[in-house]
Amino acid sequence: QKEVEQDPGPLSVPEGAIVSLNCTYSNSAFQYFMWYRQYSRKGPELLMYTYSSGNKEDGRFTAQVDKSSKYISLFIRDSQPSDSATYLCAMIRGMYSGGGADGLTFGKGTHLIIQP
Amino acid sequence: GAVVSQHPSWVICKSGTSVKIECRSLDFQATTMFWYRQFPKQSLMLMATSNEGSKATYEQGVEKDKFLINHASLTLSTLTVTSAHPEDSSFYICSAIPAAPRTDTQYFGPGTRLTVL
Repeated sequence: QKEVEQDPGPLSVPEGAIVSLNCTYSNSAFQYFMWYRQYSRKGPELLMYTYSSGNKEDGRFTAQVDKSSKYISLFIRDSQPSDSATYLCAMIRGMYSGGGADGLTFGKGTHLIIQP
Repeated sequence: GAVVSQHPSWVICKSGTSVKIECRSLDFQATTMFWYRQFPKQSLMLMATSNEGSKATYEQGVEKDKFLINHASLTLSTLTVTSAHPEDSSFYICSAIPAAPRTDTQYFGPGTRLTVL
């Protein structure tokens, strides 16, 4: 079983729809959860960052973390064609959990297509 | 915002040659930088952690003699792919953590696409 599972899609939705993206993970030590957006042939761009369980909202984006279920979600409201990209979930035990910084563990990414 | 650059953005080389990729934090100092590799339609996989002034820490399965990492200053880390082979063709991405104030956010570079013929 991979540490982080994410459906690669593609996920195609009409413009204006609510998009739901999610990841599951197996390592209960993960405490910090991120969502990155990556356009083709570009580096990842941080969208949302949450610590432990709970919700976080930023504009059209809402991130949810349920540590009991080891399940995280990203919701995009009023989706736009410009939101079309690959969305990667990432997680980490803690940046300084071992005395030094940890690298991120990424999901495979979900390719999202917003149809005009 | 924190900006990380990579150079070159793409490179094509012949099998057996070595290629150096630079990762720079442009507006902040970074004590720790990370190198990731991403194959087509795959996730980013951590290759190594680069700490300024010390040896890099490599993930299991990553050959340290093949992927040489040097973090000589607080704003520059380099990854050298030695004796590159076609299977090394990939998208290499670095990230950096600002040294101060202490933060838990990694800022990613734009990536370097390596093609080995």
